[in-house]
Amino acid sequence: DAGVTQSPTHLIKTRGQQVTLRCSPKSGHDTVSWYQQALGQGPQFIFQYYEEEERQRGNFPDRFSGHQFPNYSSELNVNALLLGDSALYLCASSGGPRTFLNEQYFGPGTRLTVT
Amino acid sequence: DAKTTQPTSMDCAEGRAANLPCNHSTISGNEYVYWYRQIHSQGPQYIIHGLKNNETNEMASLIITEDRKSSTLILPHATLRDTAVYYCIVRVRTNAGKSTFGDGTTLTVKP
Repeated sequence: DAGVTQSPTHLIKTRGQQVTLRCSPKSGHDTVSWYQQALGQGPQFIFQYYEEEERQRGNFPDRFSGHQFPNYSSELNVNALLLGDSALYLCASSGGPRTFLNEQYFGPGTRLTVT
Repeated sequence: DAKTTQPTSMDCAEGRAANLPCNHSTISGNEYVYWYRQIHSQGPQYIIHGLKNNETNEMASLIITEDRKSSTLILPHATLRDTAVYYCIVRVRTNAGKSTFGDGTTLTVKP
């Protein structure tokens, strides 16, 4: 049973560029959440997708957007990259909000470096 | 979601029990206590959760005080592989997406 997978593992972008990160949830999970983790800090919630819609959002600007596909996989897009966007981006999956299958399982993350 | 307070760092001798405290004095009646750990550069790993009763699984035990304002995660026989950052969070159980992480406790297990 594959756990949460993310791609790519590492990414280097230049300030002002756009980036797309991808996530496949654990088998049986239909809810995907994205987190940003700066060096030395805990993960910060970006947003959550369920039934292909954004359901909850943390305190992040509109430059951060996402998408969920019918197979429950998800993408995180960041436009107009800033140096401060350099971080580990984590994807977590869980069962839907109407279930109690809501222990979150995290992927290994994508390390984004903005130069 | 309620805020938690954890010590910044702790040391533990290999083979001894590691007791990691967490304060959550503003926890609501419907909020659970969850523990995760993050080994260097990996995604956080779920350890255990509880509401008000003590819980035990193959990884750890969770002791929650009667007033639910604090809890302790116990690793009964710490190994070097338990060296990690441990996060205590509180949230309602049906809101798996929005977990509010603090900076956690860095546990270092020493030989």
